[in-house]
Amino acid sequence: AQTVTQSQPEMSVQEAETVTLSCTYDTSENNYYLFWYKQPPSRQMILVIRQEAYKQQNATENRFSVNFQKAAKSFSLKISDSQLGDTAMYFCAFRNNDMRFGAGTRLTVKP
Amino acid sequence: EPEVTQTPSHQVTQMGQEVILRCVPISNHLYFYWYRQILGQKVEFLVSFYNNEISEKSEIFDDQFSVERPDGSNFTLKIRSTKLEDSAMYFCASSEGGTVPYGYTFGSGTRLTVV
Repeated sequence: AQTVTQSQPEMSVQEAETVTLSCTYDTSENNYYLFWYKQPPSRQMILVIRQEAYKQQNATENRFSVNFQKAAKSFSLKISDSQLGDTAMYFCAFRNNDMRFGAGTRLTVKP
Repeated sequence: EPEVTQTPSHQVTQMGQEVILRCVPISNHLYFYWYRQILGQKVEFLVSFYNNEISEKSEIFDDQFSVERPDGSNFTLKIRSTKLEDSAMYFCASSEGGTVPYGYTFGSGTRLTVV
């Protein structure tokens, strides 16, 4: 079974600074996708970024980028130039068949 | 952009009552899912559904739960006799494909409160 671990229950960052959220996973599969979802106070699940396991190049979406280390089974999310609207829960997720989530990291961006 | 629609956004029900949570997936998607999130906790997989049958379910998805696609557009989750511990946010999701590389589109969720 696949497991996803987010070891940081809470983090905070000053506005305009950079923060990195950690995620590790465990799988014996070779072909899979990894995702970061954002859950703001509205509780909606919003896709932030995704990474294909067979691609070595790290995915980037504007201020959001990942550091994907396949051998280490690590998939961290870097948020640059943090904004107040980035305050949310962030969930790392793994998909081979069905999608499984980590426990989440609560990020607070401080003005 | 296509959306997954869930209704109602909030439902309050008495313990022991039956509830039906409704979802309208994206029209060309073939795979459907329900997830649950107890307040402040992780998002947990309940069930996946394809071709009018359950593909996979978790141990949370016991005999109290059932899913149905009654009319080709709606996808429902029924909880037969609600318990206090069923209080949670329930998310529906749909996907174009059953495996990688397809991501999910989530609905906005239904907050279920059992009193």
